[in-house]
Amino acid sequence: QLQLQESGPGLVKPSETLSLTCTVAGDSIDTSSFFWGWIRQPPGKGLEWIGSIYYSGSTYYNPSLGSRVTISVDTSKNQFSLRLNSVTAADTAVYYCARDNVYCNHSTCRPVGFFHTWGQGRLVTVSS
Amino acid sequence: DIQMTQSPSSLSASVGDRVTITCRASQNIDTRLNWYQQKPGTAPKLLIYAASGLHDGVPSRFSGSGSGTEFTLTISNLQPEDFATYYCQQSYSTSFTFGPGIKVDIK
Repeated sequence: QLQLQESGPGLVKPSETLSLTCTVAGDSIDTSSFFWGWIRQPPGKGLEWIGSIYYSGSTYYNPSLGSRVTISVDTSKNQFSLRLNSVTAADTAVYYCARDNVYCNHSTCRPVGFFHTWGQGRLVTVSS
Repeated sequence: DIQMTQSPSSLSASVGDRVTITCRASQNIDTRLNWYQQKPGTAPKLLIYAASGLHDGVPSRFSGSGSGTEFTLTISNLQPEDFATYYCQQSYSTSFTFGPGIKVDIK
C-alpha cells in the first residue's frame, strides 16, 4: 500500500530556508506513471499547490512563489524534497506531499492535478 | 491564475439531507475540476476527479457534475462521517488552484 511521509524541521527562522523531504513507501518513485507534488495549508486556511516533480527531474511550480521554491527528486532513496528560501511568517503552514497522475503528449509530460494519495502533513512554523 | 470560488460559504445540514455545493471558475476549465474532502487534523482526500469521476473507494452518495465554469458536488443522504470541509480544485492549468473551501457542519 502506498504511503507518503513528510519529514524535516518544524521550526524555521525568518529569512532562512525551509527544507522538507517526502519519503515514498510501497511503490517506486522511479516510474513514468506519476508526478509527485507539494501542497501547503496555513493554519485555519485553504490549500495552495506549491509544485510538482517527475522522476526525470522535470518540475512545475506555482508562479506566485517565484524563484523561492525548488523541488528535487532522489530516486535512489525513493524521496523527493522541497526547499523554500527567504521564508516569512506567511510561509507557516502544514506542508503535504502527494502523488499525482501524469499526462504525456509526444515528448512532453505534465502533471494532471489529481492528488489521489497524500502524506499526513508536516507543520512548519516560521518564527525567530 | 484561474480563480476558484465556492458557495455557500458555510452550510449546516442534518443526517439524511441532500447537500449541494457549487464551485465556479474564473474561466472555462472544461471538466478539469476535482473535489476533495478534509476533516480536521487530516490530509485532504480526493472524492471526485474530472468533474464527475468517482475516486476509488468513495461512496456512491457523492456525485459531481458540471463543465465550463460552473460545477456542483452533491452528497445525497448525508452521513455523520460527511461533516467536513470540501474543496474544489482546477487542473485545467498546470498552475493548480483550489477554492476557499466550504465547511459542512451539523445543524
